[in-house]
Amino acid sequence: ILNVEQSPQSLHVQEGDSTNFTCSFPSSNFYALHWYRWETAKSPEALFVMTLNGDEKKKGRISATLNTKEGYSYLYIKGSQPEDSATYLCAFVMYSGYALNFGKGTSLLVTP
Amino acid sequence: EPEVTQTPSHQVTQMGQEVILRCVPISNHLYFYWYRQILGQKVEFLVSFYNNEISEKSEIFDDQFSVERPDGSNFTLKIRSTKLEDSAMYFCASSERLAGIDTQYFGPGTRLTVL
Repeated sequence: ILNVEQSPQSLHVQEGDSTNFTCSFPSSNFYALHWYRWETAKSPEALFVMTLNGDEKKKGRISATLNTKEGYSYLYIKGSQPEDSATYLCAFVMYSGYALNFGKGTSLLVTP
Repeated sequence: EPEVTQTPSHQVTQMGQEVILRCVPISNHLYFYWYRQILGQKVEFLVSFYNNEISEKSEIFDDQFSVERPDGSNFTLKIRSTKLEDSAMYFCASSERLAGIDTQYFGPGTRLTVL
C-alpha cells in the first residue's frame, strides 16, 4: 500500500485569500505526481502532471511545485474565489506503473 | 470538449446480484481504467485495460470483477455477486497512452449501493 497523505483535510478561507496545501508521497520509485480538482457531482478535473524534481506548473491562479527527493508537492491558489471551492486530490504514480494512488484530498471552501 | 460518460449515475442492487457499470471513454483514447471510492476513504485503483486485455490490476480486483470492451465505444465493469462492501462510487477513466505521465480523464462516477 502506497502512503499518499494530504494536508490539511479541509480548509475554509475568505474570498481573496491565498492558500496552499500539501501532498506527501514515497520518494522512492517516483514516476509522476498528478493533481486533480473535484467538485461534487462532477468528474475530477486534471490540473497538473509533474515528473521532474523542482518542477513548477501554473494554470491561471493555481500553481504547483514538486520535490521528489523529499517526497512532497505543494498546490497554491492565489486570490481564492468561491468557484475554487472543491476537493483537491493528488495522486502518485510508481515507476513503470499506470495506477494513480490517491491521497484523501483537501476540501477547500471559499466564502465571499 | 470530449468527456468520459458513465451510466447509470446511481445503481441500487440487492446483495448477491450481478451489476454492470457502463462507461463511454473519450473516442480516440485506447487505455481505460476503473477506480472506486468507498465513502470516507481514498479513491482506489481497480484495473487498467488496453487492447482487450487487463494490463494491471489491484488486489481489490478479484474473481468477482471483470471488465470488457463489448464494442467500439463502451467499457464495462461487471461485479458478479455483489457484497455490501462493494457499495462505493465507481469511476471510469481513459487516457491516450498507457503511461504514468499521461493524464487520465475521469467520468462523473456511478454510485453503487448494495442492500
